[in-house]
Amino acid sequence: AQSVTQPDIHITVSEGASLELRCNYSYGATPYLFWYVQSPGQGLQLLLKYFSGDTLVQGIKGFEAEFKRSQSSFNLRKPSVHWSDAAEYFCAVGARNYGQNFVFGPGTRLSVLP
Amino acid sequence: DTAVSQTPKYLVTQMGNDKSIKCEQNLGHDTMYWYKQDSKKFLKIMFSYNNKELIINETVPNRFSPKSPDKAHLNLHINSLELGDSAVYFCASRLGQDYGYTFGSGTRLTVV
Repeated sequence: AQSVTQPDIHITVSEGASLELRCNYSYGATPYLFWYVQSPGQGLQLLLKYFSGDTLVQGIKGFEAEFKRSQSSFNLRKPSVHWSDAAEYFCAVGARNYGQNFVFGPGTRLSVLP
Repeated sequence: DTAVSQTPKYLVTQMGNDKSIKCEQNLGHDTMYWYKQDSKKFLKIMFSYNNKELIINETVPNRFSPKSPDKAHLNLHINSLELGDSAVYFCASRLGQDYGYTFGSGTRLTVV
């Protein structure tokens, strides 16, 4: 069965600093991988996704993520964090077919210091 | 606006009551989902429908019953509500097999 771990429950960074959020997955086939962001009281917004091809994917709001098959990882990065990036971030793994749902990691809460 | 919309946004009710949460998407997506987010923010799949057909039915108490009258709607009815049902319930839809989910803004259910 697929699973996702996000080792960091809570990360605090200063505004303008770089950010890396870690995600590791377990999946029996080639995974579809996603990062979502949830602002307080809001739904989840898709930041970026990886299906195939270039292992470095660009997303919205200046985020990028790199798929490393050998490490079963899909870490999210941003070179310079803005105060508005403070939110909960979820990594998810899924399959192409409708018969399997996406499995979400436990989330990483990002706090940004002024 | 095109979106996944859920109603109500907040729902406070007493134990033992029956309540429904509605979800509608006007994105033309084929597949819709219900996820439950607990107090620790953990998201767990409950149900999924593809073109009105139930395709995923996780281990959920049978007090929870999804209904999809058409592919744009997926409602969630909950009987005999319990304290442990308190959570945020998210509806989501998916355009096709090469796309991610689009989420609604959630329904915060509080059972007192």
